[in-house]
Amino acid sequence: DADVTQTPRNRITKTGKRIMLECSQTKGHDRMYWYRQDPGLGLRLIYYSFDVKDINKGEISDGYSVSRQAQAKFSLSLESAIPNQTALYFCATSEAPGGSGANVLTFGAGSRLTVL
Amino acid sequence: AQTVTQSQPEMSVQEAETVTLSCTYDTSESDYYLFWYKQPPSRQMILVIRQEAYKQQNATENRFSVNFQKAAKSFSLKISDSQLGDAAMYFCAGSQGAQKLVFGQGTRLTINP
Repeated sequence: DADVTQTPRNRITKTGKRIMLECSQTKGHDRMYWYRQDPGLGLRLIYYSFDVKDINKGEISDGYSVSRQAQAKFSLSLESAIPNQTALYFCATSEAPGGSGANVLTFGAGSRLTVL
Repeated sequence: AQTVTQSQPEMSVQEAETVTLSCTYDTSESDYYLFWYKQPPSRQMILVIRQEAYKQQNATENRFSVNFQKAAKSFSLKISDSQLGDAAMYFCAGSQGAQKLVFGQGTRLTINP
C-alpha cells in the first residue's frame, strides 16, 4: 500500500456541489499538507497542519476547508465547488523538525478534480 | 516571504546528453532547504535531490547534481547522460527552516531519442 493515499483519484462534479478529498498516511508523520497544481503555476499551498490541533491557511485557502481527524488523516473540502477549482490536488506529509527527513515531502498520487 | 522562480517553461535534450534546468529563489532566511521534484506522466511527485543551505558542497544523486550559488540565489539541476525515463515536469522548491515548501512554476523536460 502507498505511504500516502488519496481518494478519489479522479472526480467530476458540478458547480455548487460539496466535495471532499481524503488523505491518509502510514508514514507516522505529524505534518500534513494540501497543495493544488495548475498548469504554469506549479503547486500552491492550500492548508497545512503541523499536528492534530494545529491547522493553518496557506496562500490560496479561500473556498476550501480542512479537517485533521487524526494524525494519519487530513481531508480537504470544497463546500460549493466552482469551475476555477478544477485542478490536480496533492496531499503530502513530512517529518517534524529535527529528523533527517525534515522538510522532505512525501506525496500522494494526486486527485484530479473537474468542476463543470 | 520566500519565492521560487523557474524561467524555463520547457526544455529538450537529446538522449545521452546533459541538460541544466534553472531555478532562482528569494529568501531572507539563513536556514533553508532547496529541492528538485520530478513529476512524470503518472503525475506522482518524486524527490530528485535536496540541498541544505548551510552546506557548501553541491548535492549529487547519481546522474543528477545541483549547482548551488548561494550569493546569486541560484539552484540549477544538471542531468547527465539523459535517459528517456527522465522526461517529466521538474519543480524546484524551497523551504525556510522547518516550514512549508514553496514551489516554482515547473519546467517540462522532453528527451529526444
